Amino acid sequence: DVVLTQTPPTLSATIGQSVSISCRSSQSLLHSNGNTYLHWLLQRPGQSPQLLIYLVSRLESGVPNRFSGSGSGTDFTLKISGVEAEDLGVYYCVQGTHAPFTFGSGTKLEIK
Amino acid sequence: EVQLVESGGGLVQPGASLKLSCVASGFTFSDYWMSWVRQTPGKTMEWIGDIKYDGSYTNYAPSLKNRFTISRDNAKSTLYLQMSNVRSEDTATYYCTTTEGFDYWGQGVMVTVSS
Repeated sequence: DVVLTQTPPTLSATIGQSVSISCRSSQSLLHSNGNTYLHWLLQRPGQSPQLLIYLVSRLESGVPNRFSGSGSGTDFTLKISGVEAEDLGVYYCVQGTHAPFTFGSGTKLEIK
Repeated sequence: EVQLVESGGGLVQPGASLKLSCVASGFTFSDYWMSWVRQTPGKTMEWIGDIKYDGSYTNYAPSLKNRFTISRDNAKSTLYLQMSNVRSEDTATYYCTTTEGFDYWGQGVMVTVSS
């Protein structure tokens, strides 16, 4: 199975600060069809996960553009440019390239 | 508005069977591969498996393949998860979601396996 290693496990940020979360895969997530099925989810306290970024860098409709994704192959990053209070929660990366699909262990974002 | 509504969870004894349902609305259900994902009390996310849009093909996490079965009824826009011989480690919140991009999620349904 593909292992996704997310770092850091926790992140404490002030409002307006920019932060980054890393997601490293145990094997390349480039699919034979040319897509890289690496996505980022946010789970706010008490809520279901919601999609933020899909296919590495594409912003889901309705998601603020302070969120951005980058990377290729095995190394991926989610960046929040100017954290807002509503951004607190747990961020997960998930890969849909190699079955069984797998999730990172999550990064908890706390607001100072 | 897209909605996925799971049901069928609760407290079950070890060794029992349970069937979860997920009713979809607000999108063309029959166009989408659908997945089941579970989240343990410790917040670990685990993909259980998925089913092709027409129900003709399923994928499973190898560790769950022998006990869990995914099916769908496109006429009812409903996804199912049949769980058999449940164990304490199956205690989790179960979500249905769309496979490609994980863009739609239900509110989740809790399953607790305990005697």
